[in-house]
Amino acid sequence: NAGVTQTPKFRILKIGQSMTLQCTQDMNHNYMYWYRQDPGMGLKLIYYSVGAGITDKGEVPNGYNVSRSTTEDFPLRLELAAPSQTSVYFCATSGGSLYEQYFGPGTRLTVT
Amino acid sequence: AQSVTQLGSHVSVSEGALVLLRCNYSSSVPPYLFWYVQYPNQGLQLLLKYTSAATLVKGINGFEAEFKKSETSFHLTKPSAHMSDAAEYFCAVSDPRAGNMLTFGGGTRLMVKP
Repeated sequence: NAGVTQTPKFRILKIGQSMTLQCTQDMNHNYMYWYRQDPGMGLKLIYYSVGAGITDKGEVPNGYNVSRSTTEDFPLRLELAAPSQTSVYFCATSGGSLYEQYFGPGTRLTVT
Repeated sequence: AQSVTQLGSHVSVSEGALVLLRCNYSSSVPPYLFWYVQYPNQGLQLLLKYTSAATLVKGINGFEAEFKKSETSFHLTKPSAHMSDAAEYFCAVSDPRAGNMLTFGGGTRLMVKP
């Protein structure tokens, strides 16, 4: 039972490149989330999903896209990387509105 | 809209001393409140949560927090700090109307001196 896994752990992108951050969970949770954490700051929600086929924007969605074709996977897509997207990205899952969120180990992304 | 304010971005205590990390929230609905801990280069781990049951909530590693509606506070305490408690602590409020999304405070880095 791996919980929430994220790949890659680290990535360096050049400005304008694109990439997909992967998130997979084996907890059979319907709710999934993507957050970013900037240095010295709390986490900010990018996108979330309450089930397969359903996604919605969070606080800071610009420059990102998501999809949710299965319960297990919730990839985050960066289309045109910008230095402002340098951050640590965390994926999380939850069993529902009364339940806590479980976080993955994070992906550290640098855009130069 | 919901918001969370953590007073003190850095707190330093001596080993064995009381730990008090402050959290105040703003919410238009009855809040669900959480404290998470983050160790260096790791993800967040749940310490404890308040979901409208008992106002004094006990968590892991000897931490507890008290929900005070009149003060809109949810401060985290531990009677005696241990070196292993050194980490970043985040208070968060969830919005069950919006997919249970969490709004985080800015975090408090706890340092424990020998």
